[in-house]
Amino acid sequence: DQQVKQNSPSLSVQEGRISILNCDYTNSMFDYFLWYKKYPAEGPTFLISISSIKDKNEDGRFTVFLNKSAKHLSLHIVPSQPGDSAVYFCAASYTQGGSEKLVFGKGMKLTVNP
Amino acid sequence: GAVVSQHPSRVICKSGTSVKIECRSLDFQATTMFWYRQFPKKSLMLMATSNEGSKATYEQGVEKDKFLINHASLTLSTLTVTSAHPEDSSFYICSARDRPRYEQYFGPGTRLTVT
Repeated sequence: DQQVKQNSPSLSVQEGRISILNCDYTNSMFDYFLWYKKYPAEGPTFLISISSIKDKNEDGRFTVFLNKSAKHLSLHIVPSQPGDSAVYFCAASYTQGGSEKLVFGKGMKLTVNP
Repeated sequence: GAVVSQHPSRVICKSGTSVKIECRSLDFQATTMFWYRQFPKKSLMLMATSNEGSKATYEQGVEKDKFLINHASLTLSTLTVTSAHPEDSSFYICSARDRPRYEQYFGPGTRLTVT
């Protein structure tokens, strides 16, 4: 049972345009959401996060939107740059048995064309 | 930002041998470290959570006798894959966190190949 879903495996956009990466979740216990960027053969790099009490968080070119009623979040990158090309993972955090866990989606490959 | 290192980055070992992977937080004290495994074209799967000075908490389906985790200090955790088999070949990634409810910082990963 996949609790965090990134239904699109890939996305291709032109440089300068907006990239929108989507993520859906099923577990209502998730209360913190994160986006990570990953290059091949490297560990993920934290990008941006949002608490469940907020609906938007912005950091430079990156904005994350959270729609709790729809159990949906999205990452907007604008303007997109070729260096943004990577795999992006959506992750959700919850507490179980006193410890906090991160659940990752399968990732989505973003390609930004010059 | 916080830096987490892993060593080695790549290791090839023979079936039946054991391999140790180190994870270090370089510029902060990691009260909690996590070990993940990534299969090709799949998500990161949490294997276990370790808190400094206590036993690791393993996820369902992860054999604790096969994947030995030690978190002896606030900056070092080790994962030992014992009696490795070809199906253990994977990309292992650790992460570290210095306090609850904050982001995890990931190491660069270790590619393990068991022949």
